[in-house]
Amino acid sequence: AQKITQTQPGMFVQEKEAVTLDCTYDTSDPSYGLFWYKQPSSGEMIFLIYQGSYDQQNATEGRYSLNFQKARKSANLVISASQLGDSAMYFCAMRDDAGGTSYGKLTFGQGTILTVHP
Amino acid sequence: EAQVTQNPRYLITVTGKKLTVTCSQNMNHEYMSWYRQDPGLGLRQIYYSMNVEVTDKGDVPEGYKVSRKEKRNFPLILESPSPNQTSLYFCASSFSSYLGANVLTFGAGSRLTVL
Repeated sequence: AQKITQTQPGMFVQEKEAVTLDCTYDTSDPSYGLFWYKQPSSGEMIFLIYQGSYDQQNATEGRYSLNFQKARKSANLVISASQLGDSAMYFCAMRDDAGGTSYGKLTFGQGTILTVHP
Repeated sequence: EAQVTQNPRYLITVTGKKLTVTCSQNMNHEYMSWYRQDPGLGLRQIYYSMNVEVTDKGDVPEGYKVSRKEKRNFPLILESPSPNQTSLYFCASSFSSYLGANVLTFGAGSRLTVL
């Protein structure tokens, strides 16, 4: 069974500093996708970044990058130059791409609340 | 604007009173899914649908029903709600169930309280 673990219930960072949010995963499938979503206090789920298990390069999207270490089964999110608007809950999620009964299901971690201080 | 629309956004109801949470997407997506979010548990899949008339259970389907009669709509039905179904519910859709960077687009969420 797939499992996603986010061990940091809460993180604090100073504005303009970089922060890393941890995510480890467990799967026996060779083909999978890793996602990060942001959930601000308003509640919506905002897609941030995607990494495929066969991608050679770490994914980047603006100030977001995904530090993908396949052997360690980790997919940490790095936010550079934090802004006050980055304060939110962040979820790591995995999709099993091998097909079968999971059919596109995202398995989510518990989430990390990030607070950016001015 | 491409979006997933859920209604109602907020609802307080009583145990046993049937309710339906509607979900509609305007992106011609094949795949739709319902999740519930509870503190400390992240989001868990309730049901999903790969296309019209094709639905299947997710991880926590007990107490819920769904239907997919049209491609754009995927309502979530609580036949006899109970307090343990108090949660934040999300509908989500994508072009297909699994294809590379195929991203799930989420609705704004429906906060349900069952007294």
